[in-house]
Amino acid sequence: GAGVSQSPSNKVTEKGKDVELRCDPISGHTALYWYRQSLGQGLEFLIYFQGNSAPDKSGLPSDRFSAERTGGSVSTLTIQRTQQEDSAVYLCASSILAGARVTGELFFGEGSRLTVL
Amino acid sequence: AQSVTQPDIHITVSEGASLELRCNYSYGATPYLFWYVQSPGQGLQLLLKYFSGDTLVQGIKGFEAEFKRSQSSFNLRKPSVHWSDAAEYFCAVGAGEQELNWGAGTKLIIKP
Repeated sequence: GAGVSQSPSNKVTEKGKDVELRCDPISGHTALYWYRQSLGQGLEFLIYFQGNSAPDKSGLPSDRFSAERTGGSVSTLTIQRTQQEDSAVYLCASSILAGARVTGELFFGEGSRLTVL
Repeated sequence: AQSVTQPDIHITVSEGASLELRCNYSYGATPYLFWYVQSPGQGLQLLLKYFSGDTLVQGIKGFEAEFKRSQSSFNLRKPSVHWSDAAEYFCAVGAGEQELNWGAGTKLIIKP
């Protein structure tokens, strides 16, 4: 497809289970971001991938969160031993990096809504 | 500390009326400024951005925003709203290689 694709669109899980969220960015976009959007909050940065550089993991809230990006394309965000406070919409965005990191237009997927019971 | 504030959680306007959504920031240097819109069931979409130059920037869907350095503001405006403008609007601010700071969003409700 032409846009950023995320799956699943909705995920309900039990506390303590692991979940994987997938992001398929726009072809050719070298930069990929994961954000978390909680109700009434702005977007919370989680992790940033740019080409073959080491990812910026500074936004990951705990060591239960991890992400990888294989072959410079698809990315998977993994949350281990989920907690109720992990319930949120997880957004993926991709960008053609042009100049400084924040100057490129971000193209967002529709998000994965995670509910932890 | 760097911050972005959208003071209005909700705004209700009548269809055809003018709109102004507020965004204030606190940054040490002139930052990059963005407005994104999140329509129901869709991903966020860039409306407009300011990097430098003319402080009044035009965006898509008839929106514009004005950067006012003295007020540390980047308010979004539209002369006449349409029902399809009902959405949530996010202001984002960044500088250099730092990650963007996002406002909490303003939900726009359109009255028929």
